[in-house]
Amino acid sequence: EDQVTQSPEALRLQEGESSSLNCSYTVSGLRGLFWYRQDPGKGPEFLFTLYSAGEEKEKERLKATLTKKESFLHITAPKPEDSATYLCAPNSNSGYALNFGKGTSLLVTP
Amino acid sequence: EAEVAQSPRYKITEKSQAVAFWCDPISGHATLYWYRQILGQGPELLVQFQDESVVDDSQLPKDRFSAERLKGVDSTLKIQPAELGDSAMYLCASSLQGRGLAGFNEQFFGPGTRLTVL
Repeated sequence: EDQVTQSPEALRLQEGESSSLNCSYTVSGLRGLFWYRQDPGKGPEFLFTLYSAGEEKEKERLKATLTKKESFLHITAPKPEDSATYLCAPNSNSGYALNFGKGTSLLVTP
Repeated sequence: EAEVAQSPRYKITEKSQAVAFWCDPISGHATLYWYRQILGQGPELLVQFQDESVVDDSQLPKDRFSAERLKGVDSTLKIQPAELGDSAMYLCASSLQGRGLAGFNEQFFGPGTRLTVL
């Protein structure tokens, strides 16, 4: 059975304090792993897709990496506007639906 | 920029009443998904359409939930009768992939419908 675990559940950072969010997964035949950002009361916003171990993608202060068992979302020098819930979702070759984790709620304070 | 549209944004209803949500995907997107998100959890798939056909509805509570995408464009999700446990955010998403297309495309989400059942 496919499983996704995100840690930590919540993270509080000072502005400029870099950190990483973890997504551990077990899926049969990874087709791709997705990262989304979700602001309160809104739908998830697409950030990255990673397809194979060793792949990295960057967008502004965010960098996503992928291994065979985990993905990390690294946040460098975060700003308050980076505060949101970050969701990871691996997709297995059994279908196109995304299997979301519970998310990491990030709060960045000035 | 093209977006997924959903309505209503908020819905308050009493238990045992019927409710319906509407979704208009990004133009040209063949695949449409309905997800349910309970507060503090990630979205969970309810039903997936490929054009007008249901591809996966294994997690849809079929005794009370129904979904349709009659012309392969917009879609409606209905709950009848609503129960207290149905209170959640209902999200619609769409993606490009269609029959015969290779590759795997990201899903784009709408703003969601927040349902409260009293």
